[in-house]
Amino acid sequence: KAGVTQTPRYLIKTRGQQVTLSCSPISGHRSVSWYQQTPGQGLQFLFEYFSETQRNKGNFPGRFSGRQFSNSRSEMNVSTLELGDSALYLCASSEANVLTFGAGSRLTVL
Amino acid sequence: GESVGLHLPTLSVQEGDNSIINCAYSNSASDYFIWYKQESGKGPQFIIDIRSNMDKRQGQRVTVLLNKTVKHLSLQIAATQPGDSAVYFCAIMGGNTPLVFGKGTRLSVIA
Repeated sequence: KAGVTQTPRYLIKTRGQQVTLSCSPISGHRSVSWYQQTPGQGLQFLFEYFSETQRNKGNFPGRFSGRQFSNSRSEMNVSTLELGDSALYLCASSEANVLTFGAGSRLTVL
Repeated sequence: GESVGLHLPTLSVQEGDNSIINCAYSNSASDYFIWYKQESGKGPQFIIDIRSNMDKRQGQRVTVLLNKTVKHLSLQIAATQPGDSAVYFCAIMGGNTPLVFGKGTRLSVIA
């Protein structure tokens, strides 16, 4: 089985811009979760989608949003980027609570 | 909610020695525990898990111990190898809550 695929792997944006990150889960997995990873805060939960519905949401501002499509692929969007949004954004698909992570999308905000 | 504490941010061990990485959690309702390994440039990779109805579980060269009384979790790596160098995270779940991750321990193996 192919793993979790995240695109793009690296991107640079400037403050005030917006960004969309994409995640293709493992075939057959219907749950997709997103995490933000920074050196200071570690891995922090953003949101989880299951069958196109948001099932859980972390403690992030409304600038962070996501969605899931009927084929289980997911996107997350960050609007009005701030310097503090620079991070590795990790997507994971899951089966029976075990998360399988992609390699992440590294976002740098200048 | 759950909070996951870190005992040591870094750990250095000699190749061939055993490594022990620790984690503490706060919520007694937590019932599922996972250890992940993250190598540079990669996402976290599943190592081993344990449910709250068990105290110990073994995999290939790895053992996870769970002490529910003191809310403590540990990962033991036997005969540590250079390829074990990575950051190790414990992740904890209770009920339908999402996984909460600890801050991680960076393991360095000295050849």
